Amino acid sequence: GQQVMQIPQYQHVQEGEDFTTYCNSSTTLSNIQWYKQRPGGHPVFLIQLVKSGEVKKQKRLTFQFGEAKKNSSLHITATQTTDVGTYFCAEGTNAGKSTFGDGTTLTVKP
Amino acid sequence: DTAVSQTPKYLVTQMGNDKSIKCEQNLGHDTMYWYKQDSKKFLKIMFSYNNKELIINETVPNRFSPKSPDKAHLNLHINSLELGDSAVYFCASSPESVGYGYTFGSGTRLTVV
Repeated sequence: GQQVMQIPQYQHVQEGEDFTTYCNSSTTLSNIQWYKQRPGGHPVFLIQLVKSGEVKKQKRLTFQFGEAKKNSSLHITATQTTDVGTYFCAEGTNAGKSTFGDGTTLTVKP
Repeated sequence: DTAVSQTPKYLVTQMGNDKSIKCEQNLGHDTMYWYKQDSKKFLKIMFSYNNKELIINETVPNRFSPKSPDKAHLNLHINSLELGDSAVYFCASSPESVGYGYTFGSGTRLTVV
């Protein structure tokens, strides 16, 4: 699978602040998937983006796929304490060769 | 009903022992996986198995062996456990078609002492 780099590794924010995590690849991605893992939990699939320049929203979460399909971002507006966790990006492939980014761990101070 | 279930949830064992982790999915998915998550939260693919082909990650020691009795089950057997094997192991499954994401089990926290 493709190697995807994710930054930052950690992000600490005050509740109400915005948060963004970035996923980058040196080669074109067929798609990008995002997952959230709560502390002590397991990764949960959030969304998949496929089209160049695609933007999808889930309430306060905005997901973007770059025009060149080499990068993606997840932006959370006005973070809440329920947003804490580790966010992973991955390229979804069949044949089980997907590689996950290293994750961005978000902590939110009330 | 739990979609992907793995047992046990916790496993504490001594170095040198052999242990198994079991995984079952009731989603009808074609492909199942084992991932290892270390203390830094990095998720690394170990194996995937789609009932036709076993894909092995070359960095996984051969002390780790997956066994799939049928499409709904993928177990992980580990021989001669080492301290460095301590981690959380996640089973996951996905349908044949890309786009629906992986469904993960709740994880097995393995501690080797």
